[in-house]
Amino acid sequence: NAGVTQTPKFRVLKTGQSMTLLCAQDMNHEYMYWYRQDPGMGLRLIHYSVGEGTTAKGEVPDGYNVSRLKKQNFLLGLESAAPSQTSVYFCASSSTLYNSPLHFGNGTRLTVT
Amino acid sequence: GDSVTQMEGPVTLSEEAFLTINCTYTATGYPSLFWYVQYPGEGLQLLLKATKADDKGSNKGFEATYRKETTSFHLEKGSVQVSDSAVYFCALRQETSGSRLTFGEGTQLTVNP
Repeated sequence: NAGVTQTPKFRVLKTGQSMTLLCAQDMNHEYMYWYRQDPGMGLRLIHYSVGEGTTAKGEVPDGYNVSRLKKQNFLLGLESAAPSQTSVYFCASSSTLYNSPLHFGNGTRLTVT
Repeated sequence: GDSVTQMEGPVTLSEEAFLTINCTYTATGYPSLFWYVQYPGEGLQLLLKATKADDKGSNKGFEATYRKETTSFHLEKGSVQVSDSAVYFCALRQETSGSRLTFGEGTQLTVNP
């Protein structure tokens, strides 16, 4: 039972570098989400997707791009990393029922120096 | 927009003490309400949920009742254990806007033996 898998688990970037975070789910969920977690701020939604080929902006989308080319994968890209993007990133997925829970991956800890 | 407010932490208790973590929300419509728990170095796990007014969610000795009149979903446990030490997040989910989860800030709980 893999659930939601995120890669990599840790990454250190220099300012201006780019990277892609990969999220994969094996539950056939339609909805997928990227959140960032910062101390004292809970989790904030970056981008989300309600189906293959669709994406939408969340609360804090600036500096990030996403793609959902396959139903099971949701990629988060940082084109030019900034120190303000140092955070822990969580991917989640769910069914379309709004009373069902989101299932989370174990997170990617990103440090931008 | 929707929002969730949790009691400020951190909370430190002795083993077998009674736990309450307050959670109130602001939302249009009729959201579903959730409590998630995050153990150190891990992702978020669903602890319990309630999907309509007066519903009580329960799991592992934790309980929370959906109170529409006070827009609250307080988490309680009668006797905490050291293993309950974690960060607890209250969250709501609506049908609109991709059915995203909106989180509170999180409450750090430490239980001492």
